[in-house]
Amino acid sequence: GAVVSQHPSWVICKSGTSVKIECRSLDFQATTMFWYRQFPKQSLMLMATSNEGSKATYEQGVEKDKFLINHASLTLSTLTVTSAHPEDSSFYICSARERDAYNEQFFGPGTRLTVL
Amino acid sequence: ELKVEQNPLFLSMQEGKNYTIYCNYSTTSDRLYWYRQDPGKSLESLFVLLSNGAVKQEGRLMASLDTKARLSTLHITAAVHDLSATYFCAVDTYGGSQGNLIFGKGTKLSVKP
Repeated sequence: GAVVSQHPSWVICKSGTSVKIECRSLDFQATTMFWYRQFPKQSLMLMATSNEGSKATYEQGVEKDKFLINHASLTLSTLTVTSAHPEDSSFYICSARERDAYNEQFFGPGTRLTVL
Repeated sequence: ELKVEQNPLFLSMQEGKNYTIYCNYSTTSDRLYWYRQDPGKSLESLFVLLSNGAVKQEGRLMASLDTKARLSTLHITAAVHDLSATYFCAVDTYGGSQGNLIFGKGTKLSVKP
């Protein structure tokens, strides 16, 4: 149980295009989903937290107009990187948590984004 | 602001040796996680530590939590090459706004034959 999927697993795009990444909880209802970014040889950095049906909460320094997050259902959250640039190239990992804040987060397999 | 510090950040070990990775954090929390990450992969959950004094073991890895000292340890016994990976500890801020995880910088472990 507690499986989280991400799609796509990797994507290459041209500078200026937008890219959408999906995060799905396959066998549980995720009331909260988290989006992390990881640069090479670094730790995970939380970008934003999204609760189903409400606006995402972004961490300081993360541009909400550039990284659009939608959590429209209890099993799906999407991250759209708008007008991507090479500096947005990174490994994006989502996690999902069921119901209350005392439950463990389960991580997706990650999406490798390369912007040319 | 909650800070999580891991040390060492890099660890090169000989097979068969023992070693400990330390995870210190700066504020009250009694919920700590250890993860393993292989190159190019996402996180694999190793241990969930939910209370002071918690100790969990899986194979050659053992994790413990001392909430009074704000310290968790990941002990490696008789290391083997397959344990080579990056290990992260993460502290749960569930007492705060939304239960976010704050990660340490990770310990890159290399086990040499």
